[in-house]
Amino acid sequence: GDQVEQSPSALSLHEGTGSALRCNFTTTMRAVQWFRKNSRGSLINLFYLASGTKENGRLKSAFDSKERYSTLHIRDAQLEDSGTYFCAALYGSSGNKLIFGIGTLLSVKP
Amino acid sequence: VTLLEQNPRWRLVPRGQAVNLRCILKNSQYPWMSWYQQDLQKQLQWLFTLRSPGDKEVKSLPGADYLATRVTDTELRLQVANMSQGRTLYCTCKTTGANYAEQFFGPGTRLTVL
Repeated sequence: GDQVEQSPSALSLHEGTGSALRCNFTTTMRAVQWFRKNSRGSLINLFYLASGTKENGRLKSAFDSKERYSTLHIRDAQLEDSGTYFCAALYGSSGNKLIFGIGTLLSVKP
Repeated sequence: VTLLEQNPRWRLVPRGQAVNLRCILKNSQYPWMSWYQQDLQKQLQWLFTLRSPGDKEVKSLPGADYLATRVTDTELRLQVANMSQGRTLYCTCKTTGANYAEQFFGPGTRLTVL
C-alpha cells in the first residue's frame, strides 16, 4: 500500500498568508526530504531532516519519525512560491530509495 | 552549484523506438547515483541505484522497459525501450559514507511518445 500520504493535494494562498503541508508515513522512516518542482521541471531541495525541525527563510519543516509524520510550513507566501511541493522519505536497509508523496500543487495569488 | 547534468533534456520518441539518456556527475564526492521516473500522473518512483562502473540492472514498469548502466565514476546511462506513455527521468546523487544521506536531483529528461 501507499507508504507516504501527502496532503493537501492542492492549496491556494493569497500573498502574505501561510499554511502547512503534511506527510504521514505508514511505517518508520529514517529521514525525510522536501522538494519544490520549479517551472523548468527541476526538483529543488528544500529540507533534509533525520529528526527535529529546520527553518530556512519563510519555510519551516519538522519530522517526527516515532509519530510517523513530517510537515512543511510556509509563512508570508509570495507569488514565486507557487509550484508543486513533494515530500519523500528514506527507509529500508539501503537508504538509497526515496519514497515520494503525490505532491501538493501550491498556487499563490495576489 | 550544479551537481548533475542530464542530456538530452527532452526527446520525442517514436513508438517502438528506444532512447538513450546520460547523466554526468560533476562532483565526485556524491558517487551514489540513481534513476527515478515521474509518470503522467506525476508520481515519482525510484528505479535503480548503481554505485560502481560496470554495474547494470534492468527493470520493466507499466509503460516502459529500462536498462541502467554505470559507465564510469561520473557517468550513468539509461536506455528506455518499449515506451507507451510519456514520462520524465531524473538522475540523483548522494554522498558516500551515510546510508540515509540527502539526495540531489538532476534537471530531468522529458520523454514524449510520438
